Amino acid sequence: QQPVQSPQAVILREGEDAVINCSSSKALYSVHWYRQKHGEAPVFLMILLKGGEQKGHDKISASFNEKKQQSSLYLTASQLSYSGTYFCGTEMGNDYKLSFGAGTTVTVRA
Amino acid sequence: EAGVTQFPSHSVIEKGQTVTLRCDPISGHDNLYWYRRVMGKEIKFLLHFVKESKQDESGMPNNRFLAERTGGTYSTLKVQPAELEDSGVYFCASSQETRGTQYFGPGTRLLVL
Repeated sequence: QQPVQSPQAVILREGEDAVINCSSSKALYSVHWYRQKHGEAPVFLMILLKGGEQKGHDKISASFNEKKQQSSLYLTASQLSYSGTYFCGTEMGNDYKLSFGAGTTVTVRA
Repeated sequence: EAGVTQFPSHSVIEKGQTVTLRCDPISGHDNLYWYRRVMGKEIKFLLHFVKESKQDESGMPNNRFLAERTGGTYSTLKVQPAELEDSGVYFCASSQETRGTQYFGPGTRLLVL
């Protein structure tokens, strides 16, 4: 079952913040976040496994709620390099494949 | 360390023809996945290999698609005969562990005319 990802698109000025949400109707095993720039491979950002977990690096961080049904990706003080399409991939407990959200296109302008 | 590579990067074929896509995973990664993104839709799972064995092929659309991974190294995905609805971007990903981080290749853009 594909997760629901929102918003579909967001436009930011450099230095602004954004939040991307990914939700599932059932509890998940894990959430994987990726960023893809046009024509390139999706690049792995981070994986969240535990309910209530928060992690991040640089100014990109993510959280996983206690029920393990929702994850949010936080872009803080955005930079031009943050532009791209962000995907959440969710993994259920009974299989090993990722189901992806529709993607969020982030455009950061100077 | 080389990442996941895919060949070709683009392929344009006519309906009814055959196309073979290749994926070379990161060296040492036993798990190999194929995904597809049809225009405007989500990336969807096709199948999962563990070494040379098909662990899960529940996402394969129909019997026109055949995936192989002889020797447990590179994998091929053959579409025969191709139909218009097969157009899209085919991604390959690999991981060291079954529930580990999946590293994606750049994809093969397939256009069936």
